[in-house]
Amino acid sequence: TQLLEQSPQFLSIQEGENLTVYCNSSSVFSSLQWYRQEPGEGPVLLVTVVTGGEVKKLKRLTFQFGDARKDSSLHITAAQPGDTGLYLCAGALTGNNRKLIWGLGTSLAVNP
Amino acid sequence: DTGVSQDPRHKITKRGQNVTFRCDPISEHNRLYWYRQTLGQGPEFLTYFQNEAQLEKSRLLSDRFSAERPKGSFSTLEIQRTEQGDSAMYLCASSSPDGGPVGEQYFGPGTRLTVT
Repeated sequence: TQLLEQSPQFLSIQEGENLTVYCNSSSVFSSLQWYRQEPGEGPVLLVTVVTGGEVKKLKRLTFQFGDARKDSSLHITAAQPGDTGLYLCAGALTGNNRKLIWGLGTSLAVNP
Repeated sequence: DTGVSQDPRHKITKRGQNVTFRCDPISEHNRLYWYRQTLGQGPEFLTYFQNEAQLEKSRLLSDRFSAERPKGSFSTLEIQRTEQGDSAMYLCASSSPDGGPVGEQYFGPGTRLTVT
């Protein structure tokens, strides 16, 4: 059973388009992180959200944590080819802060 | 460079051989994780150390896999009698319980294992 469902699994868009990636669960998380991974490299932490309803912005990326802390979204405005990569969400379950639960990732390709 | 480092970056081995990978975490981090990742998938948790103590092991970690962190600093992951199904990227991450939200992990570049 996959505790964190990410959608879509694959996304191919043109430069300049907007997109949203979703991360959903029936479990409550004490925190949730978004990572970006390029081929042949390890994931790089983008942001951590902790409070229900929290919104964080990182340049053209907007991250939101659901009010009930069960889901999150990543919105990219005016995507660029440099945004291409695998986007991963990972959550820390309440009461268990030792191990992250990982989504399967969204593979994004931004075409020039 | 004070990030997480892994060695080697790439390893090609023949089926049945043993391999060992090394991970050096960020120096002030006391938590260390090993993951396995196949192409296009998210990381699969293998095992976790807090200081030198191995606190959790995944059921994915068969008895051919062993990990150590003898002095609470660097860690090694050994795979004995490798099989073709072991081919994957092996990722190491470290985190600290202090100075940030729980669970933030910082990853190394990974070791790409190919078993022929």
